[in-house]
Amino acid sequence: GQQVMQIPQYQHVQEGEDFTTYCNSSTTLSNIQWYKQRPGGHPVFLIQLVKSGEVKKQKRLTFQFGEAKKNSSLHITATQTTDVGTYFCAGKGNTDKLIFGTGTRLQVFP
Amino acid sequence: DAGITQSPRHKVTETGTPVTLRCHQTENHRYMYWYRQDPGHGLRLIHYSYGVKDTDKGEVSDGYSVSRSKTEDFLLTLESATSSQTSVYFCAIAQGGFTDTQYFGPGTRLTVL
Repeated sequence: GQQVMQIPQYQHVQEGEDFTTYCNSSTTLSNIQWYKQRPGGHPVFLIQLVKSGEVKKQKRLTFQFGEAKKNSSLHITATQTTDVGTYFCAGKGNTDKLIFGTGTRLQVFP
Repeated sequence: DAGITQSPRHKVTETGTPVTLRCHQTENHRYMYWYRQDPGHGLRLIHYSYGVKDTDKGEVSDGYSVSRSKTEDFLLTLESATSSQTSVYFCAIAQGGFTDTQYFGPGTRLTVL
């Protein structure tokens, strides 16, 4: 069945450093969504990408969808303590359902 | 935040007992979902609904049943709880299905002893 993996599982950075998480699917995706979950909270939608090679920016966050529509990345420039949380990608592939990645937990040290 | 509530927010129960979790929305969204979240597995879809009385299975549906008799309520039932069902359960809603933004409820932490 369809699998969506994320790397790394955990990342600890010093405040001000950059951070990137990668999302890889075993099948071609029709879309990719990104969610952020703060510690003790619930996932909150960040963005959706649907086009091959698409790049979208939200302030310090840059999202990319791969040319083959099987991978995606989220890059945070100059992390802040407010960026702490777990970032999930989710994609709709051949199962016709949204499959969530395993998540990357980001810790930012001041 | 979208108008989604879950009840109870915390529950401790014993193996073999039935448990029902409730998700209530005030957004009139057509689609509702139940996920479980476990360390190392992310969010896994249990069941979902695409309308009143219309439901379908997700990837981890064994041991769970659902019902949706009203647009605003989606119930998840564990007929006979097992320790492997200890988890955090999230309800989510969406207007347009799996390509639409999902809005999540606050979650229910369930412990099965």
